[in-house]
Amino acid sequence: DTGVSQDPRHKITKRGQNVTFRCDPISEHNRLYWYRQTLGQGPEFLTYFQNEAQLEKSRLLSDRFSAERPKGSFSTLEIQRTEQGDSAMYLCASSPSYTDTQYFGPGTRLTVL
Amino acid sequence: KNEVEQSPQNLTAQEGEFITINCSYSVGISALHWLQQHPGGGIVSLFMLSSGKKKHGRLIATINIQEKHSSLHITASHPRDSAVYICAVSPYFYGGSQGNLIFGKGTKLSVKP
Repeated sequence: DTGVSQDPRHKITKRGQNVTFRCDPISEHNRLYWYRQTLGQGPEFLTYFQNEAQLEKSRLLSDRFSAERPKGSFSTLEIQRTEQGDSAMYLCASSPSYTDTQYFGPGTRLTVL
Repeated sequence: KNEVEQSPQNLTAQEGEFITINCSYSVGISALHWLQQHPGGGIVSLFMLSSGKKKHGRLIATINIQEKHSSLHITASHPRDSAVYICAVSPYFYGGSQGNLIFGKGTKLSVKP
């Protein structure tokens, strides 16, 4: 069990560019979550997968955001045409289906200049 | 009004003091979580509880479902306990929890030697 990993850990981009983040959950965890955390705030839910199916999306997830989990293992979160307001820590978590306990990755810190 | 409220927002204590952090929520839940976040972003799950009380080392978490309130206590606090403590709930949906979390804003704890 190597834990949840996220890549990259830090990303600096210019406004208008596209960025993609990757999350590798704990193997055999069929639930995967993406959250966003801005400075001084608690994380906010973005989207949730059970296996490869995206079951819920927050209204925070505008049409510039897309997430996939094509084979029910790793997941990607893409932000198109980034804006300065997208600057945040993007957290991924996973859990097995039999518990609500979530295991968090270290996060990807995005800075949009 | 946020669905999960924590108090206090900031807390400074002397080493050895007994610490209490409070959490109130306004939605139906299947579980309540206490999480710890260190500088740099990593989040660790401390407790998940749906009733009563749980204890792990110097940490104690209690929940009162009727009053929609939970407390996290730290006995004999130590500087290494310095972190942000976050309360989160798994909202209840008919058919069972979907697992996504609603977070409070966190309580920043600093324990001075």
